Amino acid sequence: VIWMTQSPSLVSASIGDRVTLSCRVSQDISSYLAWYQQKPGKAPDLLMYATSTLQSGVPSRFSGSGSGTDFTLTISSLQSEDLATYYCQQYHSFPVTFGGGTKVELK
Amino acid sequence: EVQVVESGGGLVQPGGSLRLSCVPSGFAFSSYWMGWVRQAPGKGLEWVANIKQDGNEEYYVDSVKGRFTISRDNAKNSLYLQMNSLRAEDTAVYYCARVPSGSGWSWFDPWGQGTLVTVSS
Repeated sequence: VIWMTQSPSLVSASIGDRVTLSCRVSQDISSYLAWYQQKPGKAPDLLMYATSTLQSGVPSRFSGSGSGTDFTLTISSLQSEDLATYYCQQYHSFPVTFGGGTKVELK
Repeated sequence: EVQVVESGGGLVQPGGSLRLSCVPSGFAFSSYWMGWVRQAPGKGLEWVANIKQDGNEEYYVDSVKGRFTISRDNAKNSLYLQMNSLRAEDTAVYYCARVPSGSGWSWFDPWGQGTLVTVSS
């Protein structure tokens, strides 16, 4: 099983801040990584896949980078609608696995 | 609009059974792998099961093997999750989701709104 570790578990930031979320993987997954955004009481929404390919409709302030075992999701300028929990997911190997999530809140 | 809608959740006693359903719309259901992902209250996401387009391949997380069965009826445009021998630790919101990649292992999109399964006496 591939383990996913997201850090930090909680980010406190102000509107307009640049926010960087980390996802570390227990073994090399190349670029087989997706990111999701989940707001309270809602289902997860796909943000990007293949590490950095934005899903249609996702604002360009979101970007992804990394390869192998270290990945990053960046929000270039935090907006109020971005307050949510973010999950990474690897799909390199069976079973697909998710990170524990990073919650982004207002400072 | 591409979407999936789950139903069938509820309260069930330990050892009991429940069948979840998922109805897709806006895409060719029979052309895609489909899956179930769950989320225990206040916890993260856990993949549960995937099924191939024709229903001939199924995969499960170890914790549900032998108790849960994923199936589909392409003629009825429906996905199912039969859950038997339910345990307290199966309590979660269960999401149905499409697997966009043809390989069967990929990201999930879209997700349904989820259906809550509560296992308690």
